Amino acid sequence: DVKVTQSSRYLVKRTGEKVFLECVQDMDHENMFWYRQDPGLGLRLIYFSYDVKMKEKGDIPEGYSVSREKKERFSLILESASTNQTSMYLCASSSPASGITDTQYFGPGTRLTVL
Amino acid sequence: KNEVEQSPQNLTAQEGEFITINCSYSVGISALHWLQQHPGGGIVSLFMLSSGKKKHGRLIATINIQEKHSSLHITASHPRDSAVYICAVRLAETSGSRLTFGEGTQLTVNP
Repeated sequence: DVKVTQSSRYLVKRTGEKVFLECVQDMDHENMFWYRQDPGLGLRLIYFSYDVKMKEKGDIPEGYSVSREKKERFSLILESASTNQTSMYLCASSSPASGITDTQYFGPGTRLTVL
Repeated sequence: KNEVEQSPQNLTAQEGEFITINCSYSVGISALHWLQQHPGGGIVSLFMLSSGKKKHGRLIATINIQEKHSSLHITASHPRDSAVYICAVRLAETSGSRLTFGEGTQLTVNP
């Protein structure tokens, strides 16, 4: 059974703190993604990675960085958390496939509140 | 304007009703996905379409490439179908697995 796990379901941090969100997949997938989800805005891509040590900016990378030192783990870092980063954060992974099937598998999400 | 638009944003139905959720997109795509998100956050993939129609149980998804439109139908709806349904497209010029998402449709099915 495929599995994407995230380190926390709920997290409360203070403005200015450094925040680490961890995502681990056990499917040997090459691709990993970090999204945030806000009411009325849907899922927006923050960063993605096609391979170990590779990263590319998504649509809203400002205020975030990522790390992918191992294939199974993709970390999202908020260098100095701000209240406008309060959101649901979702991680996903996928594998390049022949054709165009590359389904993304999602983690359960981390609801981050920045006070 | 979003590249992917869903309608309606919210939908309330009675158990047993036939439900249709629509997705329109404004760019060339190579694939369209329908996803389901239950309360609590978990998202699962329902369908991936590049043409035609797919059916899984009470769920049917169709796509019209020329009209840039897809529909998700639920027959004999049930309260357990209550969820957010999300349309996502893989843009034709995009490399890799990157998807562009609609805002989602909140479906509530009342018993």
